[in-house]
Amino acid sequence: DAGVIQSPRHEVTEMGQEVTLRCKPISGHNSLFWYRQTMMRGLELLIYFNNNVPIDDSGMPEDRFSAKMPNASFSTLKIQPSEPRDSAVYFCASRIEGLNNQPQHFGDGTRLSIL
Amino acid sequence: GDSVTQMEGPVTLSEEAFLTINCTYTATGYPSLFWYVQYPGEGLQLLLKATKADDKGSNKGFEATYRKETTSFHLEKGSVQVSDSAVYFCALSGDTGGFKTIFGAGTRLFVKA
Repeated sequence: DAGVIQSPRHEVTEMGQEVTLRCKPISGHNSLFWYRQTMMRGLELLIYFNNNVPIDDSGMPEDRFSAKMPNASFSTLKIQPSEPRDSAVYFCASRIEGLNNQPQHFGDGTRLSIL
Repeated sequence: GDSVTQMEGPVTLSEEAFLTINCTYTATGYPSLFWYVQYPGEGLQLLLKATKADDKGSNKGFEATYRKETTSFHLEKGSVQVSDSAVYFCALSGDTGGFKTIFGAGTRLFVKA
């Protein structure tokens, strides 16, 4: 079975450019999560969706960050304009919601470097 | 609100040593508890879970018991291998509504040959 698929795996771009990260959740999972991981701040939840609807975006650091989930099989996280402090590994995860004993399934992440 | 506290790392052990990584939690109700492992360059993956008090989760030689009286879920392994070197995250998923999983800060484990 395919797991959570993220693209690209690596992204290097200059500050000020728009960055779009993509995620395909596991088929049948109805919740999707975006995380950011850095050495300094650890794993941070940015936003999560349930049935394609954003439930809590309180973790989104600034208005430069936005996320969409146009359908059950695709989500994007966009940063515009990007800044060097956005450099991190960004993870997408999905889960079957409704039962608390279901774990989240993580993708392998996008390593983002803003120069 | 709900929270998870785990021991700070890094933890450095020799191969075949006994491992304990402490984890305690604060939550209302009866959460489910998880341990995730993250290998270099990869995402987090589920290692084991327990869904009610006194349950023991186990996988790949790792074990953790859900102790409601001490609000703990300590991870143990009797004999670690170099391949166990990774970051370990304790987490909980509450039963009082909401969709979040609350993660601990992670504990980095180094195992020397």
